[in-house]
Amino acid sequence: GESVGLHLPTLSVQEGDNSIINCAYSNSASDYFIWYKQESGKGPQFIIDIRSNMDKRQGQRVTVLLNKTVKHLSLQIAATQPGDSAVYFCAVQYQGGKLIFGQGTELSVKP
Amino acid sequence: ETGVTQTPRHLVMGMTNKKSLKCEQHLGHNAMYWYKQSAKKPLELMFVYSLEERVENNSVPSRFSPECPNSSHLFLHLHTLQPEDSALYLCASSQDTAVSTDTQYFGPGTRLTVL
Repeated sequence: GESVGLHLPTLSVQEGDNSIINCAYSNSASDYFIWYKQESGKGPQFIIDIRSNMDKRQGQRVTVLLNKTVKHLSLQIAATQPGDSAVYFCAVQYQGGKLIFGQGTELSVKP
Repeated sequence: ETGVTQTPRHLVMGMTNKKSLKCEQHLGHNAMYWYKQSAKKPLELMFVYSLEERVENNSVPSRFSPECPNSSHLFLHLHTLQPEDSALYLCASSQDTAVSTDTQYFGPGTRLTVL
């Protein structure tokens, strides 16, 4: 079956540094990947997505990289700020609305 | 603000109680979802509704009973729950389920504690 895993459950970075959060997936037929951010007391919030026909997509201060050869996905946050502190989930979505989430990486930003 | 609201935000209930969770989406979407988020576990999909019809039931115990009266509202009826059912219950909506790239937008969740 499908699985989505994250490499590190926690990540601590200094304010202003870049953050990289990694994720691996098992199904080579996966087509659509999403990163969500979940702050304490809130539901997951969409950050950025990427389809399998791309290997890189950029947003505001965030970049998602997709390596289909090794089935690896990463989220890069530039100039990390205290407001970026949250749990970050990668997810794979399939037709029918089936969304498979990874365990999550808790990002802490030190001032 | 994602346009998906959930009530109540917190709920404490005994194992013999019956309660309901409510979700409302203001995004004009056709699909709605229930997820369970337990500590130290990934989000688990429970139910999927598309145009008020249930299209996915992910082996959820019958003590959880969903209801979708229209495309804007989704309920989760709870009865005779167990302490291990304590979790954050999240509702989400998307434009539809037919396209795999329709983004799901989440509500803030209901924190449920079963005593």
